[in-house]
Amino acid sequence: EIVLTQSPGTLSLSPGERATFSCRASQSVSGRYLAWYQQKPGQAPRLLIYGASNRATGIPDRFSGSGSGTDFTLTISRLEPEDFAVYYCHQYGTSPPWTFGQGTKVEVK
Amino acid sequence: EVQLVQSGPEVKKPGESLKISCTGSGYNFATYWIGWVRQTPERGLEWMGIIYPDDSHTIYSPSFQGQVTISVDKSITTAYLQRTSLKASDTATYYCARVGGSYYSDYYMDLWGDGTTVTVSS
Repeated sequence: EIVLTQSPGTLSLSPGERATFSCRASQSVSGRYLAWYQQKPGQAPRLLIYGASNRATGIPDRFSGSGSGTDFTLTISRLEPEDFAVYYCHQYGTSPPWTFGQGTKVEVK
Repeated sequence: EVQLVQSGPEVKKPGESLKISCTGSGYNFATYWIGWVRQTPERGLEWMGIIYPDDSHTIYSPSFQGQVTISVDKSITTAYLQRTSLKASDTATYYCARVGGSYYSDYYMDLWGDGTTVTVSS
């Protein structure tokens, strides 16, 4: 089973700042099969990025994803008030089980 | 509207059984995998398994194999998650989600239900 480790656990930032999230896998994720989700309190996760760098339908272009192998990054170029939430990475490589990271919370500084 | 609608909250006693549902609409339900994800504060998001409605092919996480049963009735576009002999540790929010890719790859989850909260307590 691939273990995903996200860092940092919490980001304290102000609106307008850049946010960078890291997701490191315990072994290589095949096919760049890595997704990012956003979750707000009391809501279900929402898909942001799939295939490491493809934005899901309706996701603003301030969200971008990059990486391959064991290191992946989600970047929000300029934080909007609605972006303060928890972000999870998810690997869905060649073989199940597919796993999630433990999440990074973005809070208002 | 493309959506997944889950059944309502459940309160159960240890040892009881549970069956929660997830009904899809607004898309071709039969040709997208449906997955189940458990969320708890202690363990975060856990991928439980997926089922392909058209042929009922199911893939379980080893952590949940034998512990839960995932099934589907494509005639009513509904997937189910079943658990017998509930324990307090089954207290969680359970999400169903549509898998956005193809039958053979790209198993990201592009559409989520609102979640079903399950509380197991004596």
